[in-house]
Amino acid sequence: DAGVIQSPRHEVTEMGQEVTLRCKPISGHNSLFWYRQTMMRGLELLIYFNNNVPIDDSGMPEDRFSAKMPNASFSTLKIQPSEPRDSAVYFCASSPRQGSNTEAFFGQGTRLTVV
Amino acid sequence: AQSVTQPDIHITVSEGASLELRCNYSYGATPYLFWYVQSPGQGLQLLLKYFSGDTLVQGIKGFEAEFKRSQSSFNLRKPSVHWSDAAEYFCAVGGNNDMRFGAGTRLTVKP
Repeated sequence: DAGVIQSPRHEVTEMGQEVTLRCKPISGHNSLFWYRQTMMRGLELLIYFNNNVPIDDSGMPEDRFSAKMPNASFSTLKIQPSEPRDSAVYFCASSPRQGSNTEAFFGQGTRLTVV
Repeated sequence: AQSVTQPDIHITVSEGASLELRCNYSYGATPYLFWYVQSPGQGLQLLLKYFSGDTLVQGIKGFEAEFKRSQSSFNLRKPSVHWSDAAEYFCAVGGNNDMRFGAGTRLTVKP
């Protein structure tokens, strides 16, 4: 398996524009996580899905952020409108099953810069 | 919700020296504990994990970690550090069906 695949690897956009980050989890994995990493706040869990259903989105910073998982092999994280403070590395991770005792497999991340 | 504290933001060790990275967790039930490593520009890679049983767990790349319930700790160790170990290390705790990470410890290895 190719692992968790994220696209794009880098994204530079202007403030106010819509940004969509994409993730393909490992085939057969039932749980999917979106994390944001910044120097100031470290690695923050934004939202996670189990069997394509959002389970906990309490980490989503505000209404400008939304995430979807239309099927088991694809998820998106959208920011609209984007702001400079959204600049960060966004990681997607997947896990074989729901549960706190399973490891997460991470993608290589999308580095987002909002100017 | 569970939480993790990594007290050391940055640690520098000489190549060949021993290493210990600290991790303290907070969780009301039995924790599931993980250590991940992140190289520059890369995602996180699992080093080792603790679910139950033997409190000393072995991982990849010669790392090990010891779970101490009485101290709520899960410190990562390596007897002899290699220059390629320079990276950021994250401790994580699983609970409530998700995973929470510490702030990370950046490891610098001196020649």
